[in-house]
Amino acid sequence: DTGVSQDPRHKITKRGQNVTFRCDPISEHNRLYWYRQTLGQGPEFLTYFQNEAQLEKSRLLSDRFSAERPKGSFSTLEIQRTEQGDSAMYLCASSLAGAENTEAFFGQGTRLTVV
Amino acid sequence: AQTVTQSQPEMSVQEAETVTLSCTYDTSESDYYLFWYKQPPSRQMILVIRQEAYKQQNATENRFSVNFQKAAKSFSLKISDSQLGDAAMYFCAYRRRREYGNKLVFGAGTILRVKS
Repeated sequence: DTGVSQDPRHKITKRGQNVTFRCDPISEHNRLYWYRQTLGQGPEFLTYFQNEAQLEKSRLLSDRFSAERPKGSFSTLEIQRTEQGDSAMYLCASSLAGAENTEAFFGQGTRLTVV
Repeated sequence: AQTVTQSQPEMSVQEAETVTLSCTYDTSESDYYLFWYKQPPSRQMILVIRQEAYKQQNATENRFSVNFQKAAKSFSLKISDSQLGDAAMYFCAYRRRREYGNKLVFGAGTILRVKS
C-alpha cells in the first residue's frame, strides 16, 4: 500500500452532468475525509467517515453532493447536476482513529473542471 | 468556529537562506494541534511539522522549526538552508485534540519560491 489514491486525477464535465470520484485510503486507516480546494485557497472540509459511518458533513456539502463508504474501505463522492462553481480540486485523506497523534495522509486529488 | 490566517500569499528566498512563513489562528479551545503542510505543484500534500498546544517546546524537524506563541495565537514556520525542493505551497492547519472528528482547518496558503 503506497498511500491514498484517488481516481480519476482529472475530470472535465459539462454543466448539468453527474460525476463520481473514488478514493482508496491507506488500508489500515478507518477514518476517511473529503476536502475541496479551490484555486489559491486552502482545502475546506466536506465530510468524514469512520469505517462506513458518515459522522460529519459540512454545510458546504449541498444536496447535490453525496458521499459513501459502503464497506469501510474505499469511498465515492458523487456530484449531481454539476455547476461551474463545483470546479475545484477534491482531496481525500485518511487517518487512524484512536491514535491521538494521528496524522492525516492525503491523496493527489481529483481536479474537476465544469464547462 | 476556528479560523486560520496566512497573511503572506507569496514569499521568496534565496537558496541556502532562511525564510519564515507566518500563521495566526483563532480558537476558544485550549487543547489542539497545529500543522504545517507542504503541497508541491501537482503532487500530494505532505505533513512538514506538527505542534501540540500543550507543549511549550517548539517543534523541530531537521531544517524546519516552528515558533509557537500560544497566547498570541501565532504559529510561524522557519525553513533554514532553503533548497530548491522546498518550493511549494505551504498551508498552516489547526485541529482540535479530540477522539472524534479530527478534521483540519486550513489557512489560504503561502507560495514559497526558492531562487538559485
